[in-house]
Amino acid sequence: KAGVTQTPRYLIKTRGQQVTLSCSPISGHRSVSWYQQTPGQGLQFLFEYFSETQRNKGNFPGRFSGRQFSNSRSEMNVSTLELGDSALYLCASSLNWRAGELFFGEGSRLTVL
Amino acid sequence: AQRVTQPEKLLSVFKGAPVELKCNYSYSGSPELFWYVQYSRQRLQLLLRHISRESIKGFTADLNKGETSFHLKKPFAQEEDSAMYYCALPMDTGRRALTFGSGTRLQVQP
Repeated sequence: KAGVTQTPRYLIKTRGQQVTLSCSPISGHRSVSWYQQTPGQGLQFLFEYFSETQRNKGNFPGRFSGRQFSNSRSEMNVSTLELGDSALYLCASSLNWRAGELFFGEGSRLTVL
Repeated sequence: AQRVTQPEKLLSVFKGAPVELKCNYSYSGSPELFWYVQYSRQRLQLLLRHISRESIKGFTADLNKGETSFHLKKPFAQEEDSAMYYCALPMDTGRRALTFGSGTRLQVQP
């Protein structure tokens, strides 16, 4: 079956703009998580959605937001972009959270100029 | 806060040599620990979890609560083991979010 799909794969924005990233989880997976990956901070948890509700949130400012649709697809939005938001944004879906297995997408690489 | 420490950024070994990738953690309660791996140009994927006590691709990891460690070991490294390895655990009990270590790059030389 198809893996986690993220779009767009690459994008360049300028400071002050906003961006929306999309994630389609593996069919049947209802939990979708987002992580930010940077060389300096590594992998950091942004938020997790399950059944269209945000269940967990990481320590990021309110400029970072997300949502999940009834088909489990998820989007994350970053408003008023800053240079430090340049990162690889990874989406992961999960069927059985207790098993701890997250299935990651290839990521969306955001560059803020 | 829960924390995962991987002290080595890079570990370079020769093919056939033993490998030990270190992971130390701080956690209140009973931790669930995982090793994730990212091969070149591939997605991050789960390698193994301590609760299943399995061996995947020859790798094993034992949870040592006394030393708060979950080191990843393989007796004989192969070139295809070259990858980035991340140790991870839940951010808090019951939270569906993982804290990842900074990762260790394993380089297996021929």
